[in-house]
Amino acid sequence: GAVVSQHPSRVICKSGTSVKIECRSLDFQATTMFWYRQFPKKSLMLMATSNEGSKATYEQGVEKDKFLINHASLTLSTLTVTSAHPEDSSFYICSAPLTGVEGFYTFGSGTRLTVV
Amino acid sequence: DAKTTQPPSMDCAEGRAANLPCNHSTISGNEYVYWYRQIHSQGPQYIIHGLKNNETNEMASLIITEDRKSSTLILPHATLRDTAVYYCIVRVNSGYSTLTFGKGTMLLVSP
Repeated sequence: GAVVSQHPSRVICKSGTSVKIECRSLDFQATTMFWYRQFPKKSLMLMATSNEGSKATYEQGVEKDKFLINHASLTLSTLTVTSAHPEDSSFYICSAPLTGVEGFYTFGSGTRLTVV
Repeated sequence: DAKTTQPPSMDCAEGRAANLPCNHSTISGNEYVYWYRQIHSQGPQYIIHGLKNNETNEMASLIITEDRKSSTLILPHATLRDTAVYYCIVRVNSGYSTLTFGKGTMLLVSP
């Protein structure tokens, strides 16, 4: 149980285009979703926190107009990388806490974005 | 959340026990110790967590020292599929704030 399905797993796009990444909670309701970015050989860095039905909270240095987050339902959160540039190439991961189970977070399988 | 210190890398022979240490000398009384791991190009996976007592589940054992300033994650019979980065995280169980990941330990299990 407690699975977050993340798609696509891998995407290559041209500079200037936008890419949408989806994370769906399959068997639980994700009121909160965390979005991380991970560069090669580095640790996960939190980008933003989304709560269902409200605006996302972005970490310092993360452009909210570039990384659009939508959390319109309890089972779906999306991250859209707008006007992507090569420096946006990274591994993006979503994560949701399991309500009622303190400290247990389930993670998506990640999306490898390559901007060419 | 308290800071943790882990060795950057460790090696282990397949079938042997892997003991991964973590120092958290500034841990406070209400902070738990969590272990997650990340296999290459995948999302992190929960392993185990504990407060004071040692814990065991189907994946691993967690040994926490009496003063709680350090802990050890034990994989009793490491397999090649246990090769991953292991993260020790200390946090308060309050609300659903995010996990803060350090650099972790890269465990390489060899045949």
